[in-house]
Amino acid sequence: DIQMTQSPSSLSASVGDRVTITCRASQSISSYLNWYQQKPGKAPKLLIYAASSLQSGVPSRFSGSGSGTDFTLTISSLQPEDFATYYCQQSYSTLSITFGQGTRLEIK
Amino acid sequence: EVQLVESGGGLVQPGGSLRLSCAASGFTFSGYEMNWVRQAPGKGLEWVSYISSGGSTIYYADSVKGRFTISRDNAKNSLYLQMNSLRAEDTAVYYCASRVGWGAFDIWGQGTMVTVSS
Repeated sequence: DIQMTQSPSSLSASVGDRVTITCRASQSISSYLNWYQQKPGKAPKLLIYAASSLQSGVPSRFSGSGSGTDFTLTISSLQPEDFATYYCQQSYSTLSITFGQGTRLEIK
Repeated sequence: EVQLVESGGGLVQPGGSLRLSCAASGFTFSGYEMNWVRQAPGKGLEWVSYISSGGSTIYYADSVKGRFTISRDNAKNSLYLQMNSLRAEDTAVYYCASRVGWGAFDIWGQGTMVTVSS
């Protein structure tokens, strides 16, 4: 299976900060990397697909980059509603999809 | 409104069975590949199973292979997960999710809780 490692596991930041979350794959996954946001008690929400494509309706302060094994999710200016847990997911191997362990973004 | 609604969760004893359902509305269900994803209490997301739009291709996570069966009824706009030989470690919220281009899961249900305990 392809292992996905996110860093950091948790992060404290303030409203207005620029935040970057990293995701590393154990082997090359081309651009088959997606990012999700999950708030407590809610289902995950797709933010970014194909490493850098913004899902419809998602604010432009969210962006993604990378290819191969190293990827980043950037939030350019944190808003109060952005405090949540973020997951990366590889979809390169359809028969074994894997998620990162998650990054909890908390208010400083 | 585009929507997925799961049902069928509950409390079951170890070794027992449960069948989850996922009802789709607001989109052409038969054209979408579907997945089940679970989340144990306080833990991260774990992919469970995949089924192609027509139902001919199916994959499972190793952790559920041989115990869980995914299926769909496109005439009823419904996805199912038959779970047998349940274990305590299967305790989780189970989500159904549709899969679109690049393998992203764009529509998620609200989830249904499965608790395996004696």
